[in-house]
Amino acid sequence: AQRVTQPEKLLSVFKGAPVELKCNYSYSGSPELFWYVQYSRQRLQLLLRHISRESIKGFTADLNKGETSFHLKKPFAQEEDSAMYYCALRDTGNQFYFGTGTSLTVIP
Amino acid sequence: NAGVTQTPKFQVLKTGQSMTLQCAQDMNHEYMSWYRQDPGMGLRLIHYSVGAGITDQGEVPNGYNVSRSTTEDFPLRLLSAAPSQTSVYFCASRRQMNTEAFFGQGTRLTVV
Repeated sequence: AQRVTQPEKLLSVFKGAPVELKCNYSYSGSPELFWYVQYSRQRLQLLLRHISRESIKGFTADLNKGETSFHLKKPFAQEEDSAMYYCALRDTGNQFYFGTGTSLTVIP
Repeated sequence: NAGVTQTPKFQVLKTGQSMTLQCAQDMNHEYMSWYRQDPGMGLRLIHYSVGAGITDQGEVPNGYNVSRSTTEDFPLRLLSAAPSQTSVYFCASRRQMNTEAFFGQGTRLTVV
């Protein structure tokens, strides 16, 4: 069963516009949620995780247990934000499950 | 600071050939994993290891073998390559008590 769902494969926004990348999860326990980013020709890297409740590169994500969502948001998109974004869940068995990814393009 | 190093970066194999994808990390991480990334499928776990001498299967283990003789290395072996194994392979490692995963740059494998 798919534990992590990213409904948008492709997302395009104009520079300066708000952006939201959606992530929904399915897990009965208490998961940890993450966002990973892969810039062109670079390795996958951690962007942020819900337990730290921090803002990285202007991005934030709030875990909503009622809606089982962990959407990634940024109020003003920048061209350098164009990348592939993966939402991931770590279960209580320490295994990671990744969504299928959303390719974000920020139009100048 | 090398982090997680994967070799080779690109590989083309003929059906039935065997090869080993190398993964090495210099962070003394106990957990290491292999994933494959396919269009529309995201990242899927192939095999993982929680420490030297210990390995286990992930979601899609068929056609792959792994071993963990040292903490640093976690090679992935394809004994008889098939076109369905055409993919991008990522190795990842993390410290036991640290949930952040560090990924290699990936190996793009094509089986013809």
